[in-house]
Amino acid sequence: QKEVEQDPGPLSVPEGAIVSLNCTYSNSAFQYFMWYRQYSRKGPELLMYTYSSGNKEDGRFTAQVDKSSKYISLFIRDSQPSDSATYLCAMSASSARQLTFGSGTQLTVLP
Amino acid sequence: DGGITQSPKYLFRKEGQNVTLSCEQNLNHDAMYWYRQDPGQGLRLIYYSQIVNDFQKGDIAEGYSVSREKKESFPLTVTSAQKNPTAFYLCASSIQGSTGELFFGEGSRLTVL
Repeated sequence: QKEVEQDPGPLSVPEGAIVSLNCTYSNSAFQYFMWYRQYSRKGPELLMYTYSSGNKEDGRFTAQVDKSSKYISLFIRDSQPSDSATYLCAMSASSARQLTFGSGTQLTVLP
Repeated sequence: DGGITQSPKYLFRKEGQNVTLSCEQNLNHDAMYWYRQDPGQGLRLIYYSQIVNDFQKGDIAEGYSVSREKKESFPLTVTSAQKNPTAFYLCASSIQGSTGELFFGEGSRLTVL
């Protein structure tokens, strides 16, 4: 069993839809949680960063962490075609050297 | 503009040849990393360096080598010992003590024929 599980998709939604992306994990030591966005043939870029449990909102994006369930989510409101990318969850216990990535979910937002 | 520059973007090599991928950053970051990305798999750490002239093996270091002679530069050599070198290679950097906030380059796609 992988330490971090992420549904690879692909996921297609119409423009304006609410998108929910999820990851589960098994290591209870993880306390730093990230979502990276990766456009095709590009490097990932950090989208959201959360420490411990709770919610964090940034514009149309909301990150949720439920440590009791070992489950994290990224919600995208009013999705746009420019949101079409692969979304990678990532988490660590204490340092970037220990960062563990999910396999990524490929999202397409149709105009 | 601050950032990370990887070159070449695409590289083709014959089996048995060593290849070196370049990574340069002007973010003044102490730590640098090399990851490998394969379809359907998460990023896997090859090597990392937290300071000049020092580097550590990551989870999949076999068949790879690195050097860190300057703060700005962290080249990766894919040697002939790497059994399955065709992949997308990503270089990243971070401040010292980062808990996961990485800045990535645009990647290098290596294809071994």
